[in-house]
Amino acid sequence: AQKVTQAQTEISVVEKEDVTLDCVYETRDTTYYLFWYKQPPSGELVFLIRRNSFDEQNEISGRYSWNFQKSTSSFNFTITASQVVDSAVYFCALTLDQTGANNLFFGTGTRLTVIP
Amino acid sequence: GAGVSQTPSNKVTEKGKYVELRCDPISGHTALYWYRQSLGQGPEFLIYFQGTGAADDSGLPNDRFFAVRPEGSVSTLKIQRTERGDSAVYLCASSLGLTSGVGETQYFGPGTRLLVL
Repeated sequence: AQKVTQAQTEISVVEKEDVTLDCVYETRDTTYYLFWYKQPPSGELVFLIRRNSFDEQNEISGRYSWNFQKSTSSFNFTITASQVVDSAVYFCALTLDQTGANNLFFGTGTRLTVIP
Repeated sequence: GAGVSQTPSNKVTEKGKYVELRCDPISGHTALYWYRQSLGQGPEFLIYFQGTGAADDSGLPNDRFFAVRPEGSVSTLKIQRTERGDSAVYLCASSLGLTSGVGETQYFGPGTRLLVL
């Protein structure tokens, strides 16, 4: 069975602080894909990043960076110099490399509040 | 707009009534997904279409829920005899479908917030 755990329910930081959102996943499959989505107060899920299980390189996109470690089944997300606009619920998700079974398994989300 | 659209944005109904929720995917996307998100939870998968056919409906909670996509574009999620427990945000997503959706990025619509009184 597949499972995604986001142990941090809520995090509050002061603007300009760095913050890391944790994501731990479980799957017996060797090929899978990991995602992060942002859900601002408006409610729409916004895609941030997609990573396949064979690519363990860390990625940086502006103030966002992702650390994928297969050894610990983690795919953590760091926001550098946080801004108020980063306030949202962030979801980590997993999908398998199986035709007909490509639904996303989501974690319960981490609510990030950036205080000005 | 180029994104996934969903109508209505909000729906209030009474217990026992029938509702239809509509999803218009990104143009050219052949894979379409429905999810349900309860308060404080992550989205949960309901059903996946590749073209006109439901490739995976394992997430539908019971036979009161049904979805169609007759022409391979717009999809309608139908809920019969609604119950208060059906209250949630219903999200639709689409992806290119080039690999039958496997591993593809899913792009989500704004959702329909359903409240069953």
